[in-house]
Amino acid sequence: GQQVMQIPQYQHVQEGEDFTTYCNSSTTLSNIQWYKQRPGGHPVFLIQLVKSGEVKKQKRLTFQFGEAKKNSSLHITATQTTDVGTYFCAGSPNDYKLSFGAGTTVTVRA
Amino acid sequence: ETGVTQSPTHLIKTRGQQVTLRCSSQSGHNTVSWYQQALGQGPQFIFQYYREEENGRGNFPPRFSGLQFPNYSSELNVNALELDDSALYLCASSLEGLAGGETQYFGPGTRLLVL
Repeated sequence: GQQVMQIPQYQHVQEGEDFTTYCNSSTTLSNIQWYKQRPGGHPVFLIQLVKSGEVKKQKRLTFQFGEAKKNSSLHITATQTTDVGTYFCAGSPNDYKLSFGAGTTVTVRA
Repeated sequence: ETGVTQSPTHLIKTRGQQVTLRCSSQSGHNTVSWYQQALGQGPQFIFQYYREEENGRGNFPPRFSGLQFPNYSSELNVNALELDDSALYLCASSLEGLAGGETQYFGPGTRLLVL
């Protein structure tokens, strides 16, 4: 079955620094979505990427979908304490369900 | 606020019991998906309901069952609870679910503890 893997599992970042988290699928995806889950909360939709090579930006967050539509990345610049949480990617291979990765849990050192 | 509500927020059950979790979808959404999120893991797809029909199922045993009502609210039922069923149960509603790729809006979840 389809597997979505994320690395790293944990990301400890100094406030103000940049970091990137990566998402890889064993199968080609029709789209990929990114979610953020704060501690004790529920996943909140951030963005969806559909096109091969697509890049989208949300303020300090840059999302990219690979050319082969099997991988994606999230890059955060100038990390802030509000960026704390777990970031999940979730892919859909043209059917009804999303397969979530295990997430990257981000902590920030002030 | 996504407009998706779930009840109850927390629940404690013992092994072997049965539980029913409820979800009200966002207004106008006809698709509800249920996920199980164990501690430290990503959500795992249980099943999806579209216009009152089960539209697909993940790798969960038959003791996980569901319903969707004409108003598109949904229930998740779990029979013969096991300790490993302890998790956060999330429902997510979307406008249309058949084609995939629709944005899903998650509810706050129900935290189930099985003792």
